[in-house]
Amino acid sequence: DIQMTQSPSTLSASVGDRVTITCRASQSIGSWLAWYQQKPGKAPKLLIYKASSLESGVPSRLSGSGSGTEFTLTISSLQPDDSATYYCQQYNSYWGLTFGGGTKVEIK
Amino acid sequence: QVQLQESGPGLVKPSQTLSLTCTVSGDSISSGGHYWSWIRQPAGKGLEWIGHVYTSGTTNYNPSLKSRVTISVDTSKNQFSLNLSSVTAADTAVYYCARVGFSSGCLSPWGQGALVTVSS
Repeated sequence: DIQMTQSPSTLSASVGDRVTITCRASQSIGSWLAWYQQKPGKAPKLLIYKASSLESGVPSRLSGSGSGTEFTLTISSLQPDDSATYYCQQYNSYWGLTFGGGTKVEIK
Repeated sequence: QVQLQESGPGLVKPSQTLSLTCTVSGDSISSGGHYWSWIRQPAGKGLEWIGHVYTSGTTNYNPSLKSRVTISVDTSKNQFSLNLSSVTAADTAVYYCARVGFSSGCLSPWGQGALVTVSS
């Protein structure tokens, strides 16, 4: 199966900071990578799909990049509403779906 | 607007079978173009994909759960279901259902989640 390694597991940054989260796949997944935001007590919300496509309604300060085995989620200017846990997820037609371990983003 | 809603018992005894149903509104499972998926999340932990089903009944399961999982679809009711057998306390989690797009491989939308506790 395909393993997804996400880093860091937690990060603390100030409002206005540029924040980057990395996700690495154990084998090439092309661009089959999505990012989600989850707030306490809520279901995850899709942010980015196909590695870099922004889901409708998601603020443009969020962006995704990468292909193959290394991917990043960037928040260009961190806002208080961005305090949440972020997950990456890969899709493979044979192995199915796998999530990264999550990154908790805290506002200083 | 597509909506998914999980339903089922909130408490299951150890060694028994956990059964949940996801009711879909605003989209037809029969229309194709999507897989219908189950995901779970133990308290304070990350997300774990359980498996998914296509309108034809074709399934794909997480290898770590495959021996205990059955996901089925009822197109007449626009529902799909999860059965997880021989449960233990480690299966206590919030269980989510979600739609997976063929062209994107991503999960959207999600149901609100259903907490299932395994305890005697």
